[in-house]
Amino acid sequence: KNEVEQSPQNLTAQEGEFITINCSYSVGISALHWLQQHPGGGIVSLFMLSSGKKKHGRLIATINIQEKHSSLHITASHPRDSAVYICAVTDTDKLIFGTGTRLQVFP
Amino acid sequence: GAVVSQHPSRVICKSGTSVKIECRSLDFQATTMFWYRQFPKQSLMLMATSNEGSKATYEQGVEKDKFLINHASLTLSTLTVTSAHPEDSSFYICSARRQGGFLDEQFFGPGTRLTVL
Repeated sequence: KNEVEQSPQNLTAQEGEFITINCSYSVGISALHWLQQHPGGGIVSLFMLSSGKKKHGRLIATINIQEKHSSLHITASHPRDSAVYICAVTDTDKLIFGTGTRLQVFP
Repeated sequence: GAVVSQHPSRVICKSGTSVKIECRSLDFQATTMFWYRQFPKQSLMLMATSNEGSKATYEQGVEKDKFLINHASLTLSTLTVTSAHPEDSSFYICSARRQGGFLDEQFFGPGTRLTVL
């Protein structure tokens, strides 16, 4: 079993839909990251959080430390949100990556 | 702020040649840089951790003589794939930890796609 599990693996949505991607982890962590990887591979760090909730534009990330679970929400999704979203946790000073969720948003 | 660049973004080479990939922190000093490899449709895998001025620490299964890492300054780390073979074709990504920043925080470069013919 992977230490970081994401669901769903693949997700398609119509433009404007509300999207949720989930991440569960089994190790003790000091922080959790949400990363976005566009086709072509470049990675952008969206959020780093260790508790509570963060919001940036249409993106919201939450974490529940007790349940070892985090969610990434995208409101009013847009085709340009199409990408792979990766959850990663920091265990000591190393990142442990989930396998990613491939999101496609259709106009 | 906190921009990391990689050069080149894409490289195609013949089998047996060596390829150098640069990772630079453009607007901050990076005490630690990380090198990752990502095969198609797979997750990122940490290859090695490099600290400025000291030898890199390689993950299990990564050949240090094949993947030479040099972290000569607080803004530059290089990864050299020596005698590259087709199985080394992959997407190589670096990240950097900012000096004085949170231990948990890493800033990612855009990646380098290596194709070995």
